[in-house]
Amino acid sequence: GESVGLHLPTLSVQEGDNSIINCAYSNSASDYFIWYKQESGKGPQFIIDIRSNMDKRQGQRVTVLLNKTVKHLSLQIAATQPGDSAVYFCAESIGGSARQLTFGSGTQLTVLP
Amino acid sequence: GAGVSQTPSNKVTEKGKYVELRCDPISGHTALYWYRQSLGQGPEFLIYFQGTGAADDSGLPNDRFFAVRPEGSVSTLKIQRTERGDSAVYLCASSFRGGDADTQYFGPGTRLTVL
Repeated sequence: GESVGLHLPTLSVQEGDNSIINCAYSNSASDYFIWYKQESGKGPQFIIDIRSNMDKRQGQRVTVLLNKTVKHLSLQIAATQPGDSAVYFCAESIGGSARQLTFGSGTQLTVLP
Repeated sequence: GAGVSQTPSNKVTEKGKYVELRCDPISGHTALYWYRQSLGQGPEFLIYFQGTGAADDSGLPNDRFFAVRPEGSVSTLKIQRTERGDSAVYLCASSFRGGDADTQYFGPGTRLTVL
């Protein structure tokens, strides 16, 4: 029979603009958070991580912000490029061990020329 | 260097059949993880190995699912009496130690289709 998947939240941005992808997490005990990028037909690719004792962490063209008060995580991508088009997942874990990751539902980012 | 590899890339089987999915982790990684990803959703944790032993199998949905890692390297996920609801992409990941904030590197997955 036909399988119906969830409709992913989508974000479209112009090439060169900044992108902000948001994620709400539910477990207040989570203390380690990761962003993954997944292109079609591939496995998730690690982008950046952050521990709960930090509010902000920067990488190359990416910044992750963590607001524990409202259990919110965001990924900012500077100067978005066509190669950034993918589905982005946030993941969380408890105990800082990152052993059992709990993933969010994902956001589809499309970069427009 | 080589990343995580998974075979086969695609597997089509009939309901009720038995399947085995293989994962080759990154060389030297002691921790190995299996996840399942349904269409339009994020990966869901199945099982975690530290060395040869299953340290956490709390994500396995039922006793039809079983995984082994006999020599602490290659792992096989085994599914008995497959059901149509088992259709998904099965992802394998490995990390260096499985410890604090240890990055998990994912393979490309095996797409399982149960007819």
